[in-house]
Amino acid sequence: DVKVTQSSRYLVKRTGEKVFLECVQDMDHENMFWYRQDPGLGLRLIYFSYDVKMKEKGDIPEGYSVSREKKERFSLILESASTNQTSMYLCASSDSGQGYEKLFFGSGTQLSVL
Amino acid sequence: SQQGEEDPQALSIQEGENATMNCSYKTSINNLQWYRQNSGRGLVHLILIRSNEREKHSGRLRVTLDTSKKSSSLLITASRAADTASYFCATDAIQGGGADGLTFGKGTHLIIQP
Repeated sequence: DVKVTQSSRYLVKRTGEKVFLECVQDMDHENMFWYRQDPGLGLRLIYFSYDVKMKEKGDIPEGYSVSREKKERFSLILESASTNQTSMYLCASSDSGQGYEKLFFGSGTQLSVL
Repeated sequence: SQQGEEDPQALSIQEGENATMNCSYKTSINNLQWYRQNSGRGLVHLILIRSNEREKHSGRLRVTLDTSKKSSSLLITASRAADTASYFCATDAIQGGGADGLTFGKGTHLIIQP
């Protein structure tokens, strides 16, 4: 079974801190994604990557950056955390192919910024 | 940009009844997918239907796609308490036809009453 592992289930940080959210997948997938999920807004794409060292902005990249130095690992970085970044963060991966098919999700990281 | 929109936002039915959820989207797509999310967890892929398909079945799930109306429906037959979850449609837009990556709707929250 494909496994997507997010490093923390719950995280509490202070405003202004630099925050790293880590995601590792074990199925040699090319594509990796970071979404945030907020009540009433659904899932919104922050960044995605289709290859090592490649990244593409999603719908809401402001305030975030990403790093993909190795194929299995995709990190989301909050350069200076703010309270409006309190959210559930979901990492996902998928195999390459025609378009984007069958994403495998991690269990999510609930981030609270105080 | 939000591509898919589910309807209804919430649905409560008795165990054993069928549940139907709908999804509308805005731009041309390669495929449409449905995902389930149990409370506080990551999403799980249920079924994918390609733009040249009209109907697909998987166990108790039936998905239809009408590209002329830009809409899809998910039918869960003989519902069980374990089907209680949020259900999301996701669209893979044709390049240049919308946001890149996989775009999710806001979800339908399904409650199965025992």
